[in-house]
Formats: sequence, C-alpha cells, structure tokens
Amino acid sequence: QKEVEQNSGPLSVPEGAIASLNCTYSDRVSQSFFWYRQYSGKSPELIMSIYSNGDKEDGRFTAQLNKASQYVSLLIRDSQPSDSATYLCAGANFGNEKLTFGTGTRLTIIP
Amino acid sequence: EADIYQTPRYLVIGTGKKITLECSQTMGHDKMYWYQQDPGMELHLIHYSYGVNSTEKGDLSSESTVSRIRTEHFPLTLESARPSHTSQYLCASSAGTGGIFFGQGTRLTVV
Repeated sequence: QKEVEQNSGPLSVPEGAIASLNCTYSDRVSQSFFWYRQYSGKSPELIMSIYSNGDKEDGRFTAQLNKASQYVSLLIRDSQPSDSATYLCAGANFGNEKLTFGTGTRLTIIP
Repeated sequence: EADIYQTPRYLVIGTGKKITLECSQTMGHDKMYWYQQDPGMELHLIHYSYGVNSTEKGDLSSESTVSRIRTEHFPLTLESARPSHTSQYLCASSAGTGGIFFGQGTRLTVV
C-alpha cells in the first residue's frame, strides 16, 4: 500500500457546485496532512493543513481528517473555473522531516 | 509565505555538460528539499537537508548531488547531463511541521 493514495480522476464539477477530493493514508504516515493546488506548468501551492481529527475551514475550502478511517478530504464550495487544477494530498512522516505526496487529482470546473 | 527562488527557470543544455540548479530561500528555514516532477506525473523527493552540512538522498534514486554550506542555499548539481535527466526540478523549504513551500521550479531539457 502506498503511504498516501488519491483517486487520479479526472474529476469534473459544474461551476457553483461542491468539489470533493479524497485521500487515504497508511500507518507509515503521521497525522499531519496538507493539500496543495498545482496549476499546469506551475509549482504546488499550499492551500490547507490539518492536524486534528475533524473539520478545518478556510474560506471556500474545508479540510476533513478522519483518523479512525485514515482518510483526509478537501471540499471546495461554490467551485469556480479558477479552481481547475491538480490537487495534491501530502502527509508527513513521523519525524515530520519530509512529506509524501499522493499522485494528485485533476479537477476541472465546468462553466 | 516563504520566499524561495530558483534559477534558472528554464535550461536547455547538451548531453555531457555539468549543470548546477540554484535554490535560495530568505526565510531562514532549516529544512530544504529537491523534488523531481515530469509533466502530469507525481512528485518524487530526490534530496533533502535538515540544516547546514546535512544532506540525505530521497525516495527516488537520482544521479544528482546536493550541498548545504549555508542555511539559505541548497544547489543541485548534475555532473554529466543526459536526456533522461529532462524534467522539472522543484526546490522547497520548511520551518518544521507547517508544510513545505515550493520555488517556481527549473524546467531542464537535455538534448
């Protein structure tokens, strides 16, 4: 099992709808998680971090962590065409020395 | 937001040449990283450093080498470039547990 796994997609969502991105992780990853957004040809940009079980909201973004089920998700409300990008889930190893990234989910918001 | 700079942004070079990709950060972060990413593919960690005079190889085997003589500087060197080295190289830094921040990347093409 990979340390961090994501559905590669692609995922298409109508403008204004909620986009839901999911990620599962193995026991080898600690419970610090991050969501990155990467536009085509650009470098990844950190958009959310979550460390505790439950939800964390920041604007239109909500990160959810469920330690019992070992999954972390990102919800994007009121999706905009500018949200079209690849979203990367990452987990830190137990020493918090380095991140392991998932393969990313390509999201397209349809106007 | 971390200020992390990579030069050059784009490099086209002939086979057999020695190249150094520069990476500098102004945030005083102890931890720095080099990732390699082919277009549309996942990120692979190739080198990381916890501080001055500390370097470790990452999860993906790489023919490149790195050095960390100063906190702010983490250059990557290829002694003899080959077409298989064609890729995007992303430098990143971190203060600790709050995620990592990427530079703009260097897109390397070896002809």
